[in-house]
Amino acid sequence: QQQVKQSPQSLIVQKGGISIINCAYENTAFDYFPWYQQFPGKGPALLIAIRPDVSEKKEGRFTISFNKSAKQFSLHIMDSQPGDSATYFCAAAESGTYKYIFGTGTRLKVLA
Amino acid sequence: DAMVIQNPRYQVTQFGKPVTLSCSQTLNHNVMYWYQQKSSQAPKLLFHYYDKDFNNEADTPDNFQSRRPNTSFCFLDIRSPGLGDAAMYLCATSRDFQPQHFGDGTRLSIL
Repeated sequence: QQQVKQSPQSLIVQKGGISIINCAYENTAFDYFPWYQQFPGKGPALLIAIRPDVSEKKEGRFTISFNKSAKQFSLHIMDSQPGDSATYFCAAAESGTYKYIFGTGTRLKVLA
Repeated sequence: DAMVIQNPRYQVTQFGKPVTLSCSQTLNHNVMYWYQQKSSQAPKLLFHYYDKDFNNEADTPDNFQSRRPNTSFCFLDIRSPGLGDAAMYLCATSRDFQPQHFGDGTRLSIL
């Protein structure tokens, strides 16, 4: 029940296309859902996060869609660029607790 | 810029030789975390400090210990590194618990 399932494991997208990464969770107590972007040799950087009181959050080219009833959330990268090529991790947590449950990661490659 | 700084970026040690990794932060966050990340895997939480209170994960080996002498600094001590401890070690901080901000990590190699 503590798992966060992330798919796909890897993704190849043409420049200008839309990249979509999906995550699903079981624990209904989770109420904080961040996405991290990690480049090789670097630490994860917080990209965008959402709480379940909204169904969508957009920051620039990055959008999180959240479906509370389905217990799923997804990251959409619009107009994908080669510089977006990185590994993306979703995570879930309960407010007021320390532990993030990470997804297994998606390696995104955007072709020029 | 406020940030989480890890030193060194790369550390090589010998099998069984103690090693210390350091983390400092200018964010004035009260919570500091240590994660272990192996290749192509998600970060795995080792322990965290909430203020001065140390919290160990149940599956963190006894070989791993930590010190937090003040708000800004936190250290990871590996008493007798084994080959399986070769990994990227990430420090993170947060104000209370969310969001967590990560440093760029120390890549540890064991000879």
